[in-house]
Amino acid sequence: ELKVEQNPLFLSMQEGKNYTIYCNYSTTSDRLYWYRQDPGKSLESLFVLLSNGAVKQEGRLMASLDTKARLSTLHITAAVHDLSATYFCAVDGPNAGNMLTFGGGTRLMVKP
Amino acid sequence: KAGVTQTPRYLIKTRGQQVTLSCSPISGHRSVSWYQQTPGQGLQFLFEYFSETQRNKGNFPGRFSGRQFSNSRSEMNVSTLELGDSALYLCASSPTTYTETQYFGPGTRLLVL
Repeated sequence: ELKVEQNPLFLSMQEGKNYTIYCNYSTTSDRLYWYRQDPGKSLESLFVLLSNGAVKQEGRLMASLDTKARLSTLHITAAVHDLSATYFCAVDGPNAGNMLTFGGGTRLMVKP
Repeated sequence: KAGVTQTPRYLIKTRGQQVTLSCSPISGHRSVSWYQQTPGQGLQFLFEYFSETQRNKGNFPGRFSGRQFSNSRSEMNVSTLELGDSALYLCASSPTTYTETQYFGPGTRLLVL
């Protein structure tokens, strides 16, 4: 059974600090995704990681993928209040096609 | 290009009723997937439709069904509603059945009383 686990589930941090969100998954998967969700809103795609060692950066967010360890990280650099949201990782599967299995989400609160 | 649209945005139903939700994908997209989001179970895959055929189905009871029309618009139906069906229902569209990015709609928030 494909399982995706994120930690921490909740993260409260001060502006200007750095932190990392971890995403572990239980079986081999071709792709890993990171999404952002603001309260009461839909999912916004942040990153798609396609291969081992892939690293992508957008602003203060950087995502990486280690397929051997089945681990992805989302690193936040010098956090700002606007990054407050819930972040989800997801992997393809367990069946082929557009089927995603999501982690439980990490709720990030950045305090001024 | 217009994004994914979902109607209605909010819905209140009572137990035992049925409900139909609609999703219009981005123009040119042929795959529509549906997800249920609840505080307890998180985001769970319901089903995917591609070119009017159900491609994948998640682990939900038969009360949950869907279909896709020739213009790629999709509907999902939930019969005999239960309190636990209260959720945000999200649909996502993509050009084909195995693409790098799925674009999510704003969701339909269903409350079952």
